[in-house]
Amino acid sequence: AQTVTQSQPEMSVQEAETVTLSCTYDTSESNYYLFWYKQPPSRQMILVIRQEAYKQQNATENRFSVNFQKAAKSFSLKISDSQLGDTAMYFCAFMKGTSGTYKYIFGTGTRLKVLA
Amino acid sequence: GEEVAQTPKHLVRGEGQKAKLYCAPIKGHSYVFWYQQVLKNEFKFLISFQNENVFDETGMPKERFSAKCLPNSPCSLEIQATKLEDSAVYFCASSGSLGNIQYFGAGTRLSVL
Repeated sequence: AQTVTQSQPEMSVQEAETVTLSCTYDTSESNYYLFWYKQPPSRQMILVIRQEAYKQQNATENRFSVNFQKAAKSFSLKISDSQLGDTAMYFCAFMKGTSGTYKYIFGTGTRLKVLA
Repeated sequence: GEEVAQTPKHLVRGEGQKAKLYCAPIKGHSYVFWYQQVLKNEFKFLISFQNENVFDETGMPKERFSAKCLPNSPCSLEIQATKLEDSAVYFCASSGSLGNIQYFGAGTRLSVL
């Protein structure tokens, strides 16, 4: 069975600084997808970034980028130029890509606080 | 619609009462997923649908939980005889195709007293 681990329950960063959130996963699959979702206090789940396992290039979305290390089964999220609005829970999620049920398997989240 | 709509936002039930939650997926999306987020932030997959057909129900506590997606109606998740441990936020997500991004609704917070 697949598992997702986020080892940092809480983190803080100064505004305008860079922070990296870690995520590791365990799977025997070769075809899968990885995601980072942001959950602010409003509890809405907002997609931050998506990575296909078959792509070697790391995904980037504006200030958000990932470091995808397939062999190490690591998928960290880097937030550059942190803003107060980035304060939220961040969840890493795994989805099996072939003949699976396509459900998300989530980590337990990292609470990020951006300090003014 | 352009977003996943979940109703109600908050539902309070006494232990043993029935709870029914609704989800309207994004128009054109064929796949609907239900997740339960408990107070420790852990997400648990419950059930998924492809149109009105159950796709995967491996996460459903079958004794008291049931779900439906009927044509031209919002999907629903029903809990018979709620227990304190059912208190959680229930999220619905929809997707246009398998393997694609799931878009989440704002969730329904169920409080069982």
